[in-house]
Amino acid sequence: AQKITQTQPGMFVQEKEAVTLDCTYDTSDQSYGLFWYKQPSSGEMIFLIYQGSYDEQNATEGRYSLNFQKARKSANLVISASQLGDSAMYFCAMSPGTGFQKLVFGTGTRLLVSP
Amino acid sequence: NAGVTQTPKFRVLKTGQSMTLLCAQDMNHEYMYWYRQDPGMGLRLIHYSVGEGTTAKGEVPDGYNVSRLKKQNFLLGLESAAPSQTSVYFCASSYGGLGLSTDEQFFGPGTRLTVL
Repeated sequence: AQKITQTQPGMFVQEKEAVTLDCTYDTSDQSYGLFWYKQPSSGEMIFLIYQGSYDEQNATEGRYSLNFQKARKSANLVISASQLGDSAMYFCAMSPGTGFQKLVFGTGTRLLVSP
Repeated sequence: NAGVTQTPKFRVLKTGQSMTLLCAQDMNHEYMYWYRQDPGMGLRLIHYSVGEGTTAKGEVPDGYNVSRLKKQNFLLGLESAAPSQTSVYFCASSYGGLGLSTDEQFFGPGTRLTVL
């Protein structure tokens, strides 16, 4: 069974600074996918970034990057140059690498960006 | 494109009542999903569908039924609501054509359900 652990219930960062949100995972699969989603206070789930287990380079999407350390089974999200609009819940999730994508989510980290 | 829409946005039920949540997507996606989100527990998969006419159980299926009679719609039913089903329900869809793990899921805005 797959499991995602997010140990930071809440994080604070000042505007324009970088922040790292932690995510560790557990799986016996060799092939899997890792995702980060953002949930603002309005409630919708917004896809941010994806990393495949066989991808050799860390994924990047604009100000978001995924620090993937396979041996440590971690997939931390790094947000550079934080903005006030980044204040939200952030969820890490994983899926099997092949076949049907059944996402398993972590419990989330609430990020608050202050001016 | 409206993306993924959910009806209703809010609902209050009494214990034992039944209701159906409707999810619709206009992206011609094959795969559709129903999740519930409870405080401190993240999202958990209730049921999913890999195509019109097919459904399957997810992680927490008890107390729910689903139907996918049309490709664009995925219905979640509660036959006899219980207070434990108070939650926020999210529908999602994905292309699913290649069965790849990169297949991004698009989420609806959620339905907040309270069972008294």
